[in-house]
Amino acid sequence: SQTIHQWPATLVQPVGSPLSLECTVEGTSNPNLYWYRQAAGRGLQLLFYSVGIGQISSEVPQNLSASRPQDRQFILSSKKLLLSDSGFYLCAWSPGTSSPWGTDTQYFGPGTRLTVL
Amino acid sequence: AQSVTQPDIHITVSEGASLELRCNYSYGATPYLFWYVQSPGQGLQLLLKYFSGDTLVQGIKGFEAEFKRSQSSFNLRKPSVHWSDAAEYFCAVGPSFSGGYNKLIFGAGTRLAVHP
Repeated sequence: SQTIHQWPATLVQPVGSPLSLECTVEGTSNPNLYWYRQAAGRGLQLLFYSVGIGQISSEVPQNLSASRPQDRQFILSSKKLLLSDSGFYLCAWSPGTSSPWGTDTQYFGPGTRLTVL
Repeated sequence: AQSVTQPDIHITVSEGASLELRCNYSYGATPYLFWYVQSPGQGLQLLLKYFSGDTLVQGIKGFEAEFKRSQSSFNLRKPSVHWSDAAEYFCAVGPSFSGGYNKLIFGAGTRLAVHP
């Protein structure tokens, strides 16, 4: 079966510090990968998605970047955090385009709570 | 434009009462529809999904949802709510094809509180 991991679970960082959040998926190959953010009391905002190694698309311009150095690894980064970067960050995966199960169902990780002070 | 509306931001029910969470969508074709649940501080868990076929879909934890094309709705129901069902519920519609992948459009969520 497939599992998705995120770490760290919780992070408190000062304004202006760098950020690296990691997401890994097990039990599948060539997944589509996604980063979402939930601000307090708000819905899901899609930040980045990736259909393959090195292929990253951004949904909204922001202070964050994403990378996919390996097939099942997705990293969210920032060089200098802003207060507005605080939130709950969720990674998700869906079957890749070559999968017989289709690409539409997304499965979410446990999330990372980021607080920028 | 494709969109999902969850009209109720907060709902409170008594334990043992029935539940219906509303979801309306705007979509140009037959959509794929999903319900997810999020417990506090946790990720989203897939409750059920509709792709085609029987319009009444059974999911995990005793939930079901009914696709009504004429009303553009996909409401989530449970006959008897348990205290552990207190969570936030998200409806989603897809695919919204963009950039080589199928994007899901999420509603803003409905927060469910359960009174003992």
